[in-house]
Formats: sequence, C-alpha cells, structure tokens
Amino acid sequence: NAGVTQTPKFQVLKTGQSMTLQCAQDMNHNSMYWYRQDPGMGLRLIYYSASEGTTDKGEVPNGYNVSRLNKREFSLRLESAAPSQTSVYFCASSGYLDGNTEAFFGQGTRLTVV
Amino acid sequence: DQQVKQNSPSLSVQEGRISILNCDYTNSMFDYFLWYKKYPAEGPTFLISISSIKDKNEDGRFTVFLNKSAKHLSLHIVPSQPGDSAVYFCAAGGTSYGKLTFGQGTILTVHP
Repeated sequence: NAGVTQTPKFQVLKTGQSMTLQCAQDMNHNSMYWYRQDPGMGLRLIYYSASEGTTDKGEVPNGYNVSRLNKREFSLRLESAAPSQTSVYFCASSGYLDGNTEAFFGQGTRLTVV
Repeated sequence: DQQVKQNSPSLSVQEGRISILNCDYTNSMFDYFLWYKKYPAEGPTFLISISSIKDKNEDGRFTVFLNKSAKHLSLHIVPSQPGDSAVYFCAAGGTSYGKLTFGQGTILTVHP
C-alpha cells in the first residue's frame, strides 16, 4: 500500500533551471496539496487541488505552477528556479477539501537551488 | 499573518514524564484541529485530531485538549518515550475553512 509517492527524493538545480516534482496517490482521494517546509516556518501551502480538474493558490504560490493530471497525480513545476526555493517539498492528499479529514503525506523532496 | 502558531520551537523532557506541546490559533472559522508527528527524512504522519464540539480527545498515551474561548490547543504525551522524539505540528481546518493550515512545529526531545 504505497499511499502518497513523490519523485525525486533529492534534487540539485542551478538558478534558472526548471524542473517538475511528481506526486501520485493510490487512495482514491479527491484533494491533493503541495507544501514546502522551511526552518521556523512550518509547512506552508503552495497550491492545492480540491478535485480533478481544479487547482487553487495557497499561501506561497509565486514561482510555481501545478497540474492535476488526473485524480491520482498532482505535479509541481518550477519554471525558473531561485535559491529562495531551496526547501523540502511535501505532497499530500485527503478525501475531501473540507478540512475535517486528515491529510496523508509523501516522504518529501529535498530541493537545493545553487 | 500566522493563523496557527506554535510558540515553543523546542521542548526537552525526561523519559516517563509528561510532554505538553502548545498551539494557538486566530481564525474563528477553524473547527477541526490535528496534530502531526514528523521524523527526519520522512513526511508528517497524522497523530490525533479533535473537533470543536469536543474539549478533549484521547488515544492511548496521547491526549489533545481544546480551549475554544482561548483559541488554544495542547497535546499531552504521558508517559513520554525516547521514540516520541520528533517534530510535532499542529494544524487547523474545518468545514467552512477547508484546507489545513499548519503551525511552525515544535521539536520534542525525550531523554532516556
């Protein structure tokens, strides 16, 4: 039972490079999220998708784009990476976007932008 | 605007004693609260939750208390064990508000 799977686990980018973080869940969840974790800042929501075909901005969306490819997959794209995007990125999913259900997290992607 | 705050970055406790982690929130629309636990190099995992219609929820060694008037919740771990050493995040959401908002996290260290 895989749950939420993120790839890659580690990545080093040069400033200006682009990349896509992949996320897939096998729990038939409707809602999916991308968070970033920075020291002293907790988990901050970048983008979320309440259901297949919809996406919305979270707290810190600048510099990112997302695609909800289908119900299972939700990708996060950095078009032109900046050092400020060095962080640990977590994908999560939950049954519904009603906040009354727990979210399940992937293992994270540690991204370094040099 | 930090809507969910954990004001203690770290907490150190002796094995067998009680650990108390605190969390404050500002948004009155939150009506569902959760605690997550995170080990290094892993994603956060759900620990325990509480709805605003309750003031206490227990699950084994873990108890969450909610004081709605003070907009404050706490997580009690009794007795604390070295394996409890991790980062603990509180989160808030709800029917009206939707997506979860997390606090900054508290690093708990339980010494043998």
